[in-house]
Amino acid sequence: SQQGEEDPQALSIQEGENATMNCSYKTSINNLQWYRQNSGRGLVHLILIRSNEREKHSGRLRVTLDTSKKSSSLLITASRAADTASYFCATDPMVRGSNYKLTFGKGTLLTVNP
Amino acid sequence: DTGVSQDPRHKITKRGQNVTFRCDPISEHNRLYWYRQTLGQGPEFLTYFQNEAQLEKSRLLSDRFSAERPKGSFSTLEIQRTEQGDSAMYLCASSLLRNEQFFGPGTRLTVL
Repeated sequence: SQQGEEDPQALSIQEGENATMNCSYKTSINNLQWYRQNSGRGLVHLILIRSNEREKHSGRLRVTLDTSKKSSSLLITASRAADTASYFCATDPMVRGSNYKLTFGKGTLLTVNP
Repeated sequence: DTGVSQDPRHKITKRGQNVTFRCDPISEHNRLYWYRQTLGQGPEFLTYFQNEAQLEKSRLLSDRFSAERPKGSFSTLEIQRTEQGDSAMYLCASSLLRNEQFFGPGTRLTVL
């Protein structure tokens, strides 16, 4: 079963605009990670945010985490055509005996138009 | 390139045949994971190794699936008597402790 759900399912913007994607999850977590996947390729790790953190930055990426609402957001600023990809959030559920297997949502398909 | 490699990248086989995939993780990573991804879905967990020990298997992993990680280095995933429903992207990931999981490029399996 998939714990995380990304919203929206698809997002189309113009180059230079900001893109915001949201992720909601159901159970308490140890950490939450965001990944990017270009069509038919492997996943590229973007950011890991731990449950005791509220915000992290990496280049043009900003991730927030609200554990009280069980939600996270990924902001990509000044988007480029090369940012076109599917974006997934993945959670590490805080379950006793969990072997750190990630649970993914269905992803947000971001299209950045030149 | 994440440092995790998978071979082959593509595999086309006929129903009923056996296939084997290989994953080479980042060398210092003691944890190795297999996931499966179908079209329009996120990856789903299949199995997990810590060093050479297989510590968890998903219910998705039927008896036709077997995975090994001899000597705690590379891993293989074998599917026996393939079915059309096995068609998917098979992804391998590795991590050090409970940190970022780095994924390989995947093996796309097509069962005819």
